[in-house]
Amino acid sequence: GESVGLHLPTLSVQEGDNSIINCAYSNSASDYFIWYKQESGKGPQFIIDIRSNMDKRQGQRVTVLLNKTVKHLSLQIAATQPGDSAVYFCAEKRPGNTPLVFGKGTRLSVIA
Amino acid sequence: EPEVTQTPSHQVTQMGQEVILRCVPISNHLYFYWYRQILGQKVEFLVSFYNNEISEKSEIFDDQFSVERPDGSNFTLKIRSTKLEDSAMYFCASSAGTSGRGTDTQYFGPGTRLTVL
Repeated sequence: GESVGLHLPTLSVQEGDNSIINCAYSNSASDYFIWYKQESGKGPQFIIDIRSNMDKRQGQRVTVLLNKTVKHLSLQIAATQPGDSAVYFCAEKRPGNTPLVFGKGTRLSVIA
Repeated sequence: EPEVTQTPSHQVTQMGQEVILRCVPISNHLYFYWYRQILGQKVEFLVSFYNNEISEKSEIFDDQFSVERPDGSNFTLKIRSTKLEDSAMYFCASSAGTSGRGTDTQYFGPGTRLTVL
């Protein structure tokens, strides 16, 4: 079946360093991609999204890169802070009001 | 800032019992969703709801599950006869549904932890 997966299940970074979380997707029909952050005991929190007609999108301290050729998505967090510690999920979506398909998640641990 | 709310935060039930999980989506949103997350696993789609009917459902959403929008604010998920494997976090989400391209952000509630004994 089609799935969204993550290359690194855990990532530890020093506070102040940049973090890169990667994601592979397999559904070539997906045209919308989202990164969510999930802290312990909470629901997924929207971070940033990107449409398939873009390669890069920047937010506040976060950047999402999309490589449609190899079906790869990444989330870059600049100057990682302790508050960034969480599980990060990428999700893909087919056109229309369709459900999100989530990846397994990467746990980001920030070392102070 | 508007947010999705869910009650209860934790529900413990005996196997075979019925449970109703409640959600209040963001008030001007048109699309509603239920997802679940088994401990340590990824978030999985259950069902989406629009214009008072199910618009899409997954294989997980079998005859034991049902959804309802009983009034203008609540959105509920009912599990008729719970099984041990129904133990999970259940998340409600909503989106505005106004982009026309399906790129409206889905906002998630804090979840209900369902424990089936």
